[in-house]
Amino acid sequence: SQQGEEDPQALSIQEGENATMNCSYKTSINNLQWYRQNSGRGLVHLILIRSNEREKHSGRLRVTLDTSKKSSSLLITASRAADTASYFCASGLSAGNMLTFGGGTRLMVKP
Amino acid sequence: DAGITQSPRHKVTETGTPVTLRCHQTENHRYMYWYRQDPGHGLRLIHYSYGVKDTDKGEVSDGYSVSRSKTEDFLLTLESATSSQTSVYFCAISESTSGGETQYFGPGTRLLVL
Repeated sequence: SQQGEEDPQALSIQEGENATMNCSYKTSINNLQWYRQNSGRGLVHLILIRSNEREKHSGRLRVTLDTSKKSSSLLITASRAADTASYFCASGLSAGNMLTFGGGTRLMVKP
Repeated sequence: DAGITQSPRHKVTETGTPVTLRCHQTENHRYMYWYRQDPGHGLRLIHYSYGVKDTDKGEVSDGYSVSRSKTEDFLLTLESATSSQTSVYFCAISESTSGGETQYFGPGTRLLVL
């Protein structure tokens, strides 16, 4: 079974609005990562937050991590049409440097 | 793209035939992974490798085998393809960063088993 689950499964917003996606996981982790996937393409790494961090920023991305609730959120501010993609969280485990992925959130940003 | 290529990029085959997918990397990474991606399931790990001739099973390894005879190549074989193995297959490598291990993905192989 998957380690992570994401919510919502799909999200549609207008350009300029903020988009928030949530991720929950089941076991202890070393880190939590977020990836983007454009339709028909491979996954692109966006940001990594370590288990001892609570918040991290990268450009228009803000990620939070709450290890007590085993959850993370990804906020995209001032969204653009080019942000339209699927977003996946992945929990990083130490064994085998493995990641376990959630089912993803499909984001559509309307111009 | 971390120097990862996959071949073929698209393949159509018939049930019962063997299929081998190739992942090639140019940057000498130790860890390599094979995932499949299906609607509603996200990415699921099939097998991974932590060095030449060192491999281990992932979440959905049944019906798949792998081999790694050289650092740069990681092969995924479907010994006798079934329709349930129709999927998009992604290869990945793992790279150490300041925060931990980050994975970088190849472009994927679309496999259709008729």
